[in-house]
Amino acid sequence: KNEVEQSPQNLTAQEGEFITINCSYSVGISALHWLQQHPGGGIVSLFMLSSGKKKHGRLIATINIQEKHSSLHITASHPRDSAVYICAVRAQGAQKLVFGQGTRLTINP
Amino acid sequence: NAGVTQTPKFQVLKTGQSMTLQCAQDMNHNSMYWYRQDPGMGLRLIYYSASEGTTDKGEVPNGYNVSRLNKREFSLRLESAAPSQTSVYFCASSVWTSETQYFGPGTRLLVL
Repeated sequence: KNEVEQSPQNLTAQEGEFITINCSYSVGISALHWLQQHPGGGIVSLFMLSSGKKKHGRLIATINIQEKHSSLHITASHPRDSAVYICAVRAQGAQKLVFGQGTRLTINP
Repeated sequence: NAGVTQTPKFQVLKTGQSMTLQCAQDMNHNSMYWYRQDPGMGLRLIYYSASEGTTDKGEVPNGYNVSRLNKREFSLRLESAAPSQTSVYFCASSVWTSETQYFGPGTRLLVL
């Protein structure tokens, strides 16, 4: 079993829909990261969080430390949100990130 | 600022050839990383350098060596390339290992 599991692996939705991507992990963590990989391959960091909730524009990330679970939400989705979304965790005391396999999101107009 | 730059963008090697992937950052970051990304798998850490003068193995170090040349530059060397090393390689950097990582554009490597 991977330390970091994402669901779903693939998600297709219509423009305007509310999107939720889930991430579960099996170890105690210091921080959880959400990243976005564009169709062209570039990777950008969206959020780093260790508790609660963070919001940036239409993106919201939440984390429940007790349940070892995080969600990434996208409100009013748009075709430009089409990308692979990657969850990564840094275990307590560790220097390295462990990555999930990613969720491929496609938003159709 | 250019951020994190990688060269080359694309490379084809024959089995047994050697090459060095270059990475540089201009953000004055202390920590740098090399990852590989393969279809159906998450990013996997090859080596990292928590600070200038240190390097440590990641999850998949076999067949690779690294050099932290100075604070800006972190290179990845394949001494004898194998088809299993066909992958996309990403360099990243962060202020420290606890902070957000910034990624380079990637190098696509094909080993025949």
